[in-house]
Amino acid sequence: DIQMTQSPSSLSASVGDRVTITCRASQSISSYLNWYQQTPGKAPKLLIYSASRLRNGVPSRFSGSGSGTDFSLTISSLQPEDFAVFYCQESHSPPFTFGGGTKIEIK
Amino acid sequence: QVQLQESGPGLVKPSQTLSLTCTVSNGSISSGYDYWNWIRHLPGKGLEWLGYIFHSGESNYNSSLRNRILISVDTSKKQFSLKLNSVTAADTAVYYCARGPLRFVEDWGQGILVTVSS
Repeated sequence: DIQMTQSPSSLSASVGDRVTITCRASQSISSYLNWYQQTPGKAPKLLIYSASRLRNGVPSRFSGSGSGTDFSLTISSLQPEDFAVFYCQESHSPPFTFGGGTKIEIK
Repeated sequence: QVQLQESGPGLVKPSQTLSLTCTVSNGSISSGYDYWNWIRHLPGKGLEWLGYIFHSGESNYNSSLRNRILISVDTSKKQFSLKLNSVTAADTAVYYCARGPLRFVEDWGQGILVTVSS
C-alpha cells in the first residue's frame, strides 16, 4: 500500500497569513492526489483533486501543486473559516490512503 | 446536489456485525460515473477508506479489512450498504458514506458514530 506523510501535523497561523502544507507519497502517484478540509463535527469537503484542480465553488485562495511523490496545498490568505484539519489522499490505487492530517489553529 | 444519509445502530457488541445503510436522494445511484464509498474517521486518528461499489456491483475493498467487509447496492431503493463483521473496539469510528468519480469523493453523508462495546 502507498503511504502518505503530511507535514506539519499542526501549525498556528493568523488571518491573512500564507500557509503551505505538504504531502509526500511513498511511491510515485502521478497527479492522483486530492485535498480535503474537515471542521469539527462535519464531514470532510473536497477542495482540490488531481493535485491542482480546484473544485467548483472552492475559493481561489486555495491552490495545489506537485506530481510524482511531492505535493503541496497553499492557502494564499488565511480566512477565519479556514481553521480546520486538512487531509491529502492518494487516488492512484486502492486503498486510496489518506495522510495523517494537518490542523491549522489560530495564533 | 446529491444528498446521502447514513443509518444504522450506533452501538454494536464485539464480535458481532456492523451494518449501515446509505440512502441517496436528489440524484441517481445508477449514474454512469459515480462510485459509492464508505470511509471512516477513527477517533484521535485520521480517515480510512473502506471500499466502494459501482451500480453494476463492481466493488473494491481496503485489504486491511481482509475478509470482514461487504458493500452491496440496491438500485431500486437508491441505497448502498456496509457490513463489517467480527468487530472489535478498534472499529469504533464515525462512518461516512460518500459519492464521487473513481478517484475522488465529492459528496459526503453527515456521518454516523458507531461504538463497539459490550
